[in-house]
Amino acid sequence: SYVLTQPPSVSVAPGQTARITCGGNNIGSKSVHWYQQKPGQAPVLVVYDDRDRPSGIPERFSGSNSGNTATLTISRVEAGDEADYYCQVWDSSSDHVVFGGGTKLTVL
Amino acid sequence: QVQLQESGPGLVKPSQTLSLTCTVSGGSISSGDYYWSWIRQPPGKGLEWIGYIYYSGSTYYNTSLKSRVTLSVDMSKNQFSLKLTSVTAADTAVYYCVRVGYSSFAGDYWGQGTLVTVSS
Repeated sequence: SYVLTQPPSVSVAPGQTARITCGGNNIGSKSVHWYQQKPGQAPVLVVYDDRDRPSGIPERFSGSNSGNTATLTISRVEAGDEADYYCQVWDSSSDHVVFGGGTKLTVL
Repeated sequence: QVQLQESGPGLVKPSQTLSLTCTVSGGSISSGDYYWSWIRQPPGKGLEWIGYIYYSGSTYYNTSLKSRVTLSVDMSKNQFSLKLTSVTAADTAVYYCVRVGYSSFAGDYWGQGTLVTVSS
């Protein structure tokens, strides 16, 4: 089965740029989606199809995907960005939705 | 504005069947543009896809749960449902119903989630 690997944690100071990676075999050939989940809340889609943003999501959130790594980039990080972030793909070979293990973003 | 709301028992005994329903408002479940999905999250852990159903009744299930899961849709009530049989403590989780894009497989609308505890 297809596996997505995320770092357990990422820390960044306010105003800096956070980069959260999602590794997978030839993930560049798949569409990657990213979710933000704050404590006690449902996940929220922040980036879909590698780099598109749903309406209402700040431009500070961006995505890229190439080779074996997809990246969620959060520019000018704010305290309110502190959350768990999950990447997700559709694995057509198994007809499965696959999630990464999640990354806890800490704003120092 | 599309809204999804889970409903069902918050406590289920081991070996029994977990049953949840998701009511969709602000959009039609019969839209061919979406799948309707269940995703769960054990306390303190990550997200796990359970399965999804299309309005036509076509279903796709997580292989690890396939033998115990049944999804169904009721277009007259704009609802879809989850049944998970032979539950154990490992099935204790927050269960989310989610609208998933037909071509993107991105979950754009999520219910608030409902905690189901498996305990005697």
